[in-house]
Amino acid sequence: AQKVTQAQTEISVVEKEDVTLDCVYETRDTTYYLFWYKQPPSGELVFLIRRNSFDEQNEISGRYSWNFQKSTSSFNFTITASQVVDSAVYFCALSEAYNQGGKLIFGQGTELSVKP
Amino acid sequence: GAVVSQHPSRVICKSGTSVKIECRSLDFQATTMFWYRQFPKQSLMLMATSNEGSKATYEQGVEKDKFLINHASLTLSTLTVTSAHPEDSSFYICSARGREGHSTDTQYFGPGTRLTVL
Repeated sequence: AQKVTQAQTEISVVEKEDVTLDCVYETRDTTYYLFWYKQPPSGELVFLIRRNSFDEQNEISGRYSWNFQKSTSSFNFTITASQVVDSAVYFCALSEAYNQGGKLIFGQGTELSVKP
Repeated sequence: GAVVSQHPSRVICKSGTSVKIECRSLDFQATTMFWYRQFPKQSLMLMATSNEGSKATYEQGVEKDKFLINHASLTLSTLTVTSAHPEDSSFYICSARGREGHSTDTQYFGPGTRLTVL
């Protein structure tokens, strides 16, 4: 069965701290895609990254970086030098290539609070 | 690019009335759109998958007669909550699947509609 687990329900950090949001997934597919979305208080989900199962290269985009490790079925997200504007709920999601019609399977989300 | 709009952003209605929510892909064509429901402090729950020109596919437990979905064009899908009741109050979010035409294309989300039924 497909499943995404974000074990951290809430994280609170002080501005400029680095923070890592964990994501562990389960799937039987060999071809799948992983996503991270940000949901600020306004409610809109903002797409951050999409990674396919054949590309294990880590990615960096400004203060954001992602570590994909198939061996541990994890796709963790790190924010470096966090800012108050990073406060939001972050969702990790999985989409399988050949099952479920490409539906997104979401984790429960991690609420990040960055305090000044 | 990949902008999805939703209208209205907020609606308050009386019990028993019907409410229509629109979801539009503004700068790309979306053959597939999705409708989600989100309760406070919870994750998104997929309600249905909407394909242009065909009937929507509903998730288990979602009443198709209660939540009517129409995907009349490649840029517009609508969700109508019929005979709304207070328990239908929620945050409804749509998404449109990206342009490459593959089932695992990125889904881009609308800003959501907060429905309150009195």
